[in-house]
Amino acid sequence: GAGVSQSPSNKVTEKGKDVELRCDPISGHTALYWYRQSLGQGLEFLIYFQGNSAPDKSGLPSDRFSAERTGGSVSTLTIQRTQQEDSAVYLCASSSLVATQYFGPGTRLTVL
Amino acid sequence: AQSVSQHNHHVILSEAASLELGCNYSYGGTVNLFWYVQYPGQHLQLLLKYFSGDPLVKGIKGFEAEFIKSKFSFNLRKPSVQWSDTAEYFCAVNAGSSASKIIFGSGTRLSIRP
Repeated sequence: GAGVSQSPSNKVTEKGKDVELRCDPISGHTALYWYRQSLGQGLEFLIYFQGNSAPDKSGLPSDRFSAERTGGSVSTLTIQRTQQEDSAVYLCASSSLVATQYFGPGTRLTVL
Repeated sequence: AQSVSQHNHHVILSEAASLELGCNYSYGGTVNLFWYVQYPGQHLQLLLKYFSGDPLVKGIKGFEAEFIKSKFSFNLRKPSVQWSDTAEYFCAVNAGSSASKIIFGSGTRLSIRP
């Protein structure tokens, strides 16, 4: 497609449930990023995939968070046993090697 | 580890005022620097970037930023703001390699009074 897409756009879940968030990057982009945007907190880096290299997971806040990127394209961010503090907008971005990122619309996650 | 600081959390200006938003980073090596903007209800989009060369970078919509290596700064400027510049502005840095992650500052909310 023309841009980065994310699904779902909104997700409401109950505390303790698992959620999966999906990102479809721009075709041909080798790098894919996940960020979390909370009110007043800016963009918090979560994880970064670059080509076939091992992902940089240094931003994942706990072991409840994990992400995969299959076939160098689509990525899924999984949050297990969700907590209320996980409520945020989860943003995905992709880029080519020249590093300018293109952002998706985000998934707004609300944990009740 | 690299980090980015934006000290102005919320800036309120009148139309036609001049703007300068501060951005400081901590990393001793070569860096790539970015400013992104998020207009209300829209995606984040790139305003401008610095990779190398002229430290004064021109971006879209009349914005510019100056890379001052000795001060580890990359402040965003605009001589005369418009109401349509109301948005959140994010500074970002990556450690000089296209293979390294991009870290964002906490953002500055800009409100322009018409």
